[in-house]
Amino acid sequence: TQLLEQSPQFLSIQEGENLTVYCNSSSVFSSLQWYRQEPGEGPVLLVTVVTGGEVKKLKRLTFQFGDARKDSSLHITAAQPGDTGLYLCAGGGGGSQGNLIFGKGTKLSVKP
Amino acid sequence: GAVVSQHPSRVICKSGTSVKIECRSLDFQATTMFWYRQFPKKSLMLMATSNEGSKATYEQGVEKDKFLINHASLTLSTLTVTSAHPEDSSFYICSARPGAGGRAEAFFGQGTRLTVV
Repeated sequence: TQLLEQSPQFLSIQEGENLTVYCNSSSVFSSLQWYRQEPGEGPVLLVTVVTGGEVKKLKRLTFQFGDARKDSSLHITAAQPGDTGLYLCAGGGGGSQGNLIFGKGTKLSVKP
Repeated sequence: GAVVSQHPSRVICKSGTSVKIECRSLDFQATTMFWYRQFPKKSLMLMATSNEGSKATYEQGVEKDKFLINHASLTLSTLTVTSAHPEDSSFYICSARPGAGGRAEAFFGQGTRLTVV
């Protein structure tokens, strides 16, 4: 069974600080996605990483896929209150059903 | 990105009644859609995989007679919560993947907040 361990579960920081969220597994994933979810809404896709060692940037967000495609990280530089939300990593194993495996999420709160 | 529309966004129903939630892929065809349940401040819990033209595949512990799934077409899946009870109150979310295999991203509906009174 593929599992994704996401850490930390909760993170409360001040505006302007940097942070990193980790997503780890003992399994290899063909791709990993990062989503952000706000209360009362569905998750919104931020990025997909596919190649081992890949780094993608989305403004102040930097996503990295581990060389072995078993882990990923999300780094936010100079966090803003608008970054507040639940961040979810998800992995696609390429199974016939195509369902994603989700981490437990990181609840980020950025205080002004 | 691809658009998945879920309706209704909020519903309140009385105990014992049934509620239907619709999930539509607006600009792509989805042979497979997924239904999740989410508890407050928690991650998504996969309930079932909805397959067009065949029976849904339910996750362990999910009652298939209580959560009826119908994938009527390549763009529509419905989840019906039958004989709802207060403990069924939750946030339900559907998703679909436009592509095939492990590289395809999933796109989510807006979610449905169900409250059973």
